[in-house]
Amino acid sequence: SQQGEEDPQALSIQEGENATMNCSYKTSINNLQWYRQNSGRGLVHLILIRSNEREKHSGRLRVTLDTSKKSSSLLITASRAADTASYFCAPWNYGQNFVFGPGTRLSVLP
Amino acid sequence: EAGVAQSPRYKIIEKRQSVAFWCNPISGHATLYWYQQILGQGPKLLIQFQNNGVVDDSQLPKDRFSAERLKGVDSTLKIQPAKLEDSAVYLCASRTTGQVTYEQYFGPGTRLTVT
Repeated sequence: SQQGEEDPQALSIQEGENATMNCSYKTSINNLQWYRQNSGRGLVHLILIRSNEREKHSGRLRVTLDTSKKSSSLLITASRAADTASYFCAPWNYGQNFVFGPGTRLSVLP
Repeated sequence: EAGVAQSPRYKIIEKRQSVAFWCNPISGHATLYWYQQILGQGPKLLIQFQNNGVVDDSQLPKDRFSAERLKGVDSTLKIQPAKLEDSAVYLCASRTTGQVTYEQYFGPGTRLTVT
């Protein structure tokens, strides 16, 4: 199993701005997933990108994957107060379990 | 589809006491996980079940933690005796076995405070 390392650890933006957070990992993957955790809640699956994909969109979310650099980024456009949460990346390959890093704590200020 | 259910949501105990958490996964999900999440950190896997068998318990502190999933559906995680450092949120997650993408579904968690 391998841990995804999110960067930055904390991010504060104004409502309406875009938020970008990054994830790095060390070994080959089958897919990489992003999860969100609102305060006091469990994790919620946001989006999955497979190793043969370079970019994926879901609503206001855009994920990119660069397997040569072993990195991924999550872009949230037009942020809302409800996007305030911690975001975790989960790189995965067959036979492995998730190893979560500390996440990126996003604060969207009104 | 009902989500992963956990109870209780909150628990406060004194050190050296025992505590148990319950999880009911999404119907049909054969794989069940228990995670421990200490404040400011990401979830850490404690144990993975496949039906009623243990697949991975390498990070479970077996001297004080135990878990079971007797009928391959709901599961119980127990701590006995609790230590101050066990204060954390305990998350349960589940997924279908046939799923090739490995997406996990998490419950709301149980917040444990040990005083």
